[in-house]
Amino acid sequence: KNEVEQSPQNLTAQEGEFITINCSYSVGISALHWLQQHPGGGIVSLFMLSSGKKKHGRLIATINIQEKHSSLHITASHPRDSAVYICAVSGETSGSRLTFGEGTQLTVNP
Amino acid sequence: NAGVTQTPKFRILKIGQSMTLQCTQDMNHNYMYWYRQDPGMGLKLIYYSVGAGITDKGEVPNGYNVSRSTTEDFPLRLELAAPSQTSVYFCASSYSEGTQYFGPGTRLTVL
Repeated sequence: KNEVEQSPQNLTAQEGEFITINCSYSVGISALHWLQQHPGGGIVSLFMLSSGKKKHGRLIATINIQEKHSSLHITASHPRDSAVYICAVSGETSGSRLTFGEGTQLTVNP
Repeated sequence: NAGVTQTPKFRILKIGQSMTLQCTQDMNHNYMYWYRQDPGMGLKLIYYSVGAGITDKGEVPNGYNVSRSTTEDFPLRLELAAPSQTSVYFCASSYSEGTQYFGPGTRLTVL
């Protein structure tokens, strides 16, 4: 079993839909990261959080430390949101070293 | 600022050849990383560095070497390339344990 599990693996939505991607982890962490990988391959960090909730534009990330679970929400989805979304954690004793989930492929159709 | 730059973008190697993947960052970050991404798999850490002159192994270091002689540069050396090293390689940097900034990647094929 991977230390970081994401669901779903693939997600197809219609433009305007509210989207949720889930991440569960099995180790104690110091922080959880959400990353976006564009169709061209580039990787961008979206959020780094260790508690509560963060919001940036139409993106919202939440984390529940007790349940070892995080969600990434996209409101009013748009075709340009189509990408792979990756969850990663830095363990309590691993410093900045990240363990990654396998990613969720999101496709938003017009 | 260019951020994190990687060269080359693409490379094809024959089995047994060697090469160096270059990575440079202009953000004065102290931490730098090398990852590989295989199709359908999560990114895996190869090596990382917390400052000039300091490097350490990650999850999958075998077949690779690194050096960090300056804050800006963190080259990854492949000796005796093998087909199992066919992958996309990403370099990243961060200020200590903060947000990591990724380079555009190098797509390597070993035939």
